[in-house]
Amino acid sequence: DGGITQSPKYLFRKEGQNVTLSCEQNLNHDAMYWYRQDPGQGLRLIYYSQIVNDFQKGDIAEGYSVSREKKESFPLTVTSAQKNPTAFYLCASRDPEHSYSGANVLTFGAGSRLTVL
Amino acid sequence: RKEVEQDPGPFNVPEGATVAFNCTYSNSASQSFFWYRQDCRKEPKLLMSVYSSGNEDGRFTAQLNRASQYISLLIRDSKLSDSATYLCVVNRVGYALNFGKGTSLLVTP
Repeated sequence: DGGITQSPKYLFRKEGQNVTLSCEQNLNHDAMYWYRQDPGQGLRLIYYSQIVNDFQKGDIAEGYSVSREKKESFPLTVTSAQKNPTAFYLCASRDPEHSYSGANVLTFGAGSRLTVL
Repeated sequence: RKEVEQDPGPFNVPEGATVAFNCTYSNSASQSFFWYRQDCRKEPKLLMSVYSSGNEDGRFTAQLNRASQYISLLIRDSKLSDSATYLCVVNRVGYALNFGKGTSLLVTP
């Protein structure tokens, strides 16, 4: 079955440590996204990538970094510069079959929960 | 004013009831609108797109009012399995989306 796989599902980190969250998709989708969700809050865009070797900052990119070396993979690194990293991180891809110009339908992975101790 | 605003609820309704959620958006140039469903501690999943003429999918009806910049979702004959958080989503220019904080629905026996 095609889909988006995020790992790890749960992650604990000490303050000052960098951590990388994995996102892999076998849907052959070009565009991929990283969102962050805090309790009682809407999803906030961290980074997105429209195509391999290209990515753009979202609304809250500070303290995060990404790479897009392969179409299937869009890992997110949470650096020690991120002041409040504890959150639920969601990776998504744009479904071209159901999207059209100006209307982006996203498919999400199951998410990674990061807790900073 | 936030990009997308929703009443967080919770809406507690008995099985079989009809419930409606509203959502307002700030950018009058927005072109595309969606409702996503998110179960507790899970990822959001597309429930339905919202078309200008309004659209229906089984027990769910979505409507758009461009003049007042709001979107609605109506659920008829509520089921226990409808209990979830419903996210209002508005397309931004380009590839990104704006998500509301969600409206929590609890359907009780």
